[in-house]
Amino acid sequence: GAVVSQHPSWVICKSGTSVKIECRSLDFQATTMFWYRQFPKQSLMLMATSNEGSKATYEQGVEKDKFLINHASLTLSTLTVTSAHPEDSSFYICSPFLEREAFFGQGTRLTVV
Amino acid sequence: AQKVTQAQTEISVVEKEDVTLDCVYETRDTTYYLFWYKQPPSGELVFLIRRNSFDEQNEISGRYSWNFQKSTSSFNFTITASQVVDSAVYFCALKYTGANSKLTFGKGITLSVRP
Repeated sequence: GAVVSQHPSWVICKSGTSVKIECRSLDFQATTMFWYRQFPKQSLMLMATSNEGSKATYEQGVEKDKFLINHASLTLSTLTVTSAHPEDSSFYICSPFLEREAFFGQGTRLTVV
Repeated sequence: AQKVTQAQTEISVVEKEDVTLDCVYETRDTTYYLFWYKQPPSGELVFLIRRNSFDEQNEISGRYSWNFQKSTSSFNFTITASQVVDSAVYFCALKYTGANSKLTFGKGITLSVRP
């Protein structure tokens, strides 16, 4: 299957700081990357869809100015959580669009203190 | 609109028992894919199976088996002779075929296998 590398796997940051999460497709080119968020004991919910070379699209209720997505190349998409607050503590996971498959990065567990 | 329902939220069994995890889906698309993932405490999503809407054959992989029935829009997952290592959250998910199609997940089932 497709190899997707996501870093960091976990991060603890202070409230008010920004955190960048990287998602790389190692053996294929991903024109579209999905970013999901999972709160404790809940399911995965799509936050946003990034497209290489164009603006990301955000799901309803997700603040685009808070969750900055950059997809500057076909192998790298990044999610930056700006001015993080404790309520942003969650598990973030990326998944490149593939026609028939669905693979995921390892996920990033963000804790904001 | 698509929807995946995993009505069971938590299941607890004793090791070596068989357990079935239910999944019911809704979609207007005629062509779609169904998935099952395992999420251990570490968080990563472990792919278990993908089934496309035109393939209703049941599948068996070791202790795991899947029963896909389009007539009832169900894609159930059975673990035979469960083991402690099977303890995890299991997600059923649906994806239609098409550009930029995303996965729609069920709420997940927490399976606890006791020794």
